[in-house]
Amino acid sequence: DTEVTQTPKHLVMGMTNKKSLKCEQHMGHRAMYWYKQKAKKPPELMFVYSYEKLSINESVPSRFSPECPNSSLLNLHLHALQPEDSALYLCASSHSIQGAQSYEQYFGPGTRLTVT
Amino acid sequence: AQKITQTQPGMFVQEKEAVTLDCTYDTSDPSYGLFWYKQPSSGEMIFLIYQGSYDQQNATEGRYSLNFQKARKSANLVISASQLGDSAMYFCAMGNSSGSARQLTFGSGTQLTVLP
Repeated sequence: DTEVTQTPKHLVMGMTNKKSLKCEQHMGHRAMYWYKQKAKKPPELMFVYSYEKLSINESVPSRFSPECPNSSLLNLHLHALQPEDSALYLCASSHSIQGAQSYEQYFGPGTRLTVT
Repeated sequence: AQKITQTQPGMFVQEKEAVTLDCTYDTSDPSYGLFWYKQPSSGEMIFLIYQGSYDQQNATEGRYSLNFQKARKSANLVISASQLGDSAMYFCAMGNSSGSARQLTFGSGTQLTVLP
């Protein structure tokens, strides 16, 4: 099973709202990622979690707050977003370095976020 | 620093014909991985094929093959017998290790359209 699931598929929120994006995988991967993707552009890395610890934060504004409650789940909490934050948010997972030969990332279907 | 270059913003191919999507890369790391992903209009990033920098043979996965020329720093994707469902954005990516997780650097993408 190479499935990564994301909910919701679509989200419309106002600039004063608080919402959360959820991501789940059951492939035993210990690295999980959040990406932001604008139309016709490649994905941009936001955060990396490795063994449930934040490993990389690519200078993302504090209005985005990631959380990794356990090895299968990854959340992205959203608060006071701006219209320019409207994008496709992709979650991915992969094996970590230790002991794994392959390290391709498997992506979920994404959440299309619109900030009004 | 790593860099991935895809010089073809758009490509057209006739159904059942083969097509090559170009990708060149630049890195000073001796160990790296090269990946190709397909992104249909639905948004999900689908992993297609992987080539390790020390692999002696070109990778193949069904109708997909990777033409790896290390001296030229190129990793072109060849799709044989194109199908209408192959119409999508294709991203070349390079992976490197960061702590215990993997980071991907993406190219700008090539929009492939398969004509009936």
